[in-house]
Amino acid sequence: QKEVEQNSGPLSVPEGAIASLNCTYSDRGSQSFFWYRQYSGKSPELIMFIYSNGDKEDGRFTAQLNKASQYVSLLIRDSQPSDSATYLCALSNQAGTALIFGKGTTLSVSS
Amino acid sequence: DTGVSQDPRHKITKRGQNVTFRCDPISEHNHLYWYRQTLGQGPEFLTYFQNEAQLEKSRLLSDRFSAERPKGSFSTLEIQRTEQGDSAMYLCASSLGQAINQPQHFGDGTRLSIL
Repeated sequence: QKEVEQNSGPLSVPEGAIASLNCTYSDRGSQSFFWYRQYSGKSPELIMFIYSNGDKEDGRFTAQLNKASQYVSLLIRDSQPSDSATYLCALSNQAGTALIFGKGTTLSVSS
Repeated sequence: DTGVSQDPRHKITKRGQNVTFRCDPISEHNHLYWYRQTLGQGPEFLTYFQNEAQLEKSRLLSDRFSAERPKGSFSTLEIQRTEQGDSAMYLCASSLGQAINQPQHFGDGTRLSIL
């Protein structure tokens, strides 16, 4: 099993809808989780990070973490065409010396 | 607060040549990381510095790769005797603390193409 798994997509949603991006991980000891957005040809841009079980909201973005199920998700409300990008899920290794990334989910928001 | 700066943005070179990339982290960020990303994949960790000390290297980092961070400020990543498989985006990131409790911020990357 890969350490961080994401559905590669593409995930297609209409403008204004909620986009739900999911990520599972294999290391039960993982403590820190991050969502990055990456536009084609550009570098990853931090959107949110979450350390505790539950929800964390920031504007149109909500990160959800369930450590028991080894599952982290990102919800994007009122999706906009400018949200079309690849979303990378990452977690810190236990030593805190590196991030381990999934392959990313491509989101396409149609107007 | 300027972001992470990487130079050059693009590098095209012939197989067998040596290349060196530079990364300037965000000011006061003591923690610096190098990653490599190929098309359709997430970034893969290469190496980690805390100040000037290189504390971790990935198995991906072959003997042809070397990284330094003299004086704990900017960092360089050198690839010797480049191979076709080295073609990738090389990303540098920095953070205030370790990855476990501080988010990493990425530079724009250096795209390496091996002819």
